Amino acid sequence: NAGVTQTPKFQVLKTGQSMTLQCAQDMNHEYMSWYRQDPGMGLRLIHYSVGAGITDQGEVPNGYNVSRSTTEDFPLRLLSAAPSQTSVYFCASSPDRGAETQYFGPGTRLLVL
Amino acid sequence: AQSVTQPDIHITVSEGASLELRCNYSYGATPYLFWYVQSPGQGLQLLLKYFSGDTLVQGIKGFEAEFKRSQSSFNLRKPSVHWSDAAEYFCAVALRMDSSYKLIFGSGTRLLVRP
Repeated sequence: NAGVTQTPKFQVLKTGQSMTLQCAQDMNHEYMSWYRQDPGMGLRLIHYSVGAGITDQGEVPNGYNVSRSTTEDFPLRLLSAAPSQTSVYFCASSPDRGAETQYFGPGTRLLVL
Repeated sequence: AQSVTQPDIHITVSEGASLELRCNYSYGATPYLFWYVQSPGQGLQLLLKYFSGDTLVQGIKGFEAEFKRSQSSFNLRKPSVHWSDAAEYFCAVALRMDSSYKLIFGSGTRLLVRP
């Protein structure tokens, strides 16, 4: 099992550009989520999904879109990047609606200039 | 509002010394509680979790944590720290939503280990 994979590992964007952060898991987990990690603030939930076709907002959803067309994939889209979105982004999956252990990907470091 | 507080931003201990990392939560019901560890440049790995039952839970790498309802705490302990334990540690609470849960993390405690 590869677990949770994320691409790219590092990305530099200019303000206003769009991009998609990819996340995939091969553990057949229904629950997937996106977090951002900023110094001194821990991890904050952006969006989450309890299964294909179902997504919902977390604590800090503004500026981000998600979709869940398959169980395996949960991409995060930045439609118009802003410097405030400079962060490290982690994707995670969990076997039981988020109540159980969450398995994290290695992260994507994003710099918005 | 529900929250998780880790009051210590940094903690430095000598190798071989004991360790306690503090975590307090604010939540109406009995929460699901977790401790995760993040090594530099890595994702997070689960150390241990508490759902119910015995309030002292054992985790990986020799860590344990004790749930104290009266103090709304879930402190992480290790009797003898190894240099490889240097990392950032996050306490988290799983909050019940309509049909799922979401994790609320504390701001983290960075552990430094003196040789």
